[in-house]
Amino acid sequence: ELVLTQSPVILSVSPGEEATLSCRASQSSSTNLAWYQQHPGQAPRLLIYGASTRATGIPARFSGSGSGTEFTLTIGSLQSEDFAVYYCQQYNNWPYTFGQGTKLEIK
Amino acid sequence: QVQLHESGPGLVKPSQTLSLTCTVSGGSIISGGYYWSWIRQTPGKGLEWIGYFYYGDNMYYNPSLKSRVSISVDTSKGHISLKLTSVTAADTAVYYCARGPRSTPIILLWGQGTLVTVSS
Repeated sequence: ELVLTQSPVILSVSPGEEATLSCRASQSSSTNLAWYQQHPGQAPRLLIYGASTRATGIPARFSGSGSGTEFTLTIGSLQSEDFAVYYCQQYNNWPYTFGQGTKLEIK
Repeated sequence: QVQLHESGPGLVKPSQTLSLTCTVSGGSIISGGYYWSWIRQTPGKGLEWIGYFYYGDNMYYNPSLKSRVSISVDTSKGHISLKLTSVTAADTAVYYCARGPRSTPIILLWGQGTLVTVSS
């Protein structure tokens, strides 16, 4: 099973600043990686797929990069609604797996 | 607009079978271009993909659950069912029904999720 490790577990950032979240794969996931955002009590929402392609309706301040085993989600100029938990998900190998999440909290 | 709605018992006793139904409204399971999944979320293990299928194709189950899980479809009712046998407390989770494009195994549409607690 391809294991995804996200860091940091908790990230404290002030509104208006930039946040950088990392996702490391235990083996290559090529660019078959997605990012999701989840607010409490809600289902996750797709932000990025193909490592760097924004999903429909996702603001341009969200950007993804990386390939192979190292991936990054960058959120520029944080808005109040961006404070949530973020998950990466690989779809290179079945079973498809998720990282354990990074909680982005207000500093 | 397609919507997914999970339903089933919120409490299941250990060693029993967990049974959930996903009702698909506003669209058809038969229509091509999509795969359908069950995913669960626990505080301990996070998000876990239970299984998925393309209509008319095989079911794919997570190897960690394969001996205990089955997914079935009733297209006349728009239902996707999940059964998980011999449950333990570790199966306590929010269970999601989900849909994604056949071309890319990502999730674009989620149900609201249903909490199932395994406890005596």
